[in-house]
Amino acid sequence: GNSVTQMEGPVTLSEEAFLTINCTYTATGYPSLFWYVQYPGEGLQLLLKATKADDKGSNKGFEATYRKETTSFHLEKGSVQVSDSAVYFCALIYNFNKFYFGSGTKLNVKP
Amino acid sequence: GAVVSQHPSRVICKSGTSVKIECRSLDFQATTMFWYRQFPKKSLMLMATSNEGSKATYEQGVEKDKFLINHASLTLSTLTVTSAHPEDSSFYICSAATTGDSNSPLHFGNGTRLTVT
Repeated sequence: GNSVTQMEGPVTLSEEAFLTINCTYTATGYPSLFWYVQYPGEGLQLLLKATKADDKGSNKGFEATYRKETTSFHLEKGSVQVSDSAVYFCALIYNFNKFYFGSGTKLNVKP
Repeated sequence: GAVVSQHPSRVICKSGTSVKIECRSLDFQATTMFWYRQFPKKSLMLMATSNEGSKATYEQGVEKDKFLINHASLTLSTLTVTSAHPEDSSFYICSAATTGDSNSPLHFGNGTRLTVT
């Protein structure tokens, strides 16, 4: 079946540190992959996406590359800020609008 | 573009009463909306898929008589938690997809924090 596995959090970093949040998936066929971010008390916002192998999604300094060979879509940012503190969800879409979410990874960035 | 508005953002109700949550797509038409429930420190659990003009499709284990979903127009879906109990307290999030693109991301409302006392 289809599923998404994320690294467990929380992840605590100092400001300007490098961030990696691992995400791997299992899927039949070729899903599209997404990262969503949830700030405290809010819904989810799309952060970035990639629709085919080797695509790189990027937004607000965050990047993730769709790696078919390793079935991964790791989220990276070169220099995190306090304002990046949130919960990050990796997700895949398959079979038209059927979304599968990872369990979420909470990021805490300290000044 | 693609804004989804959810109302109310917070609601407190007494046990046994019913609560209605609205989800609106403000600048696009959504033939399909999704309702999720989020438990503390857990991922989102898809409750049901709401299709305009037809009955909702519920995920396994979700009581359709307890969580009533109505998708009366292309821009509005409602979730009614009937006879609420404290265990129904949770964060409920709706989402919608623009049509015609199987790679289209979901657009989420800001969620509703339901507390049943």
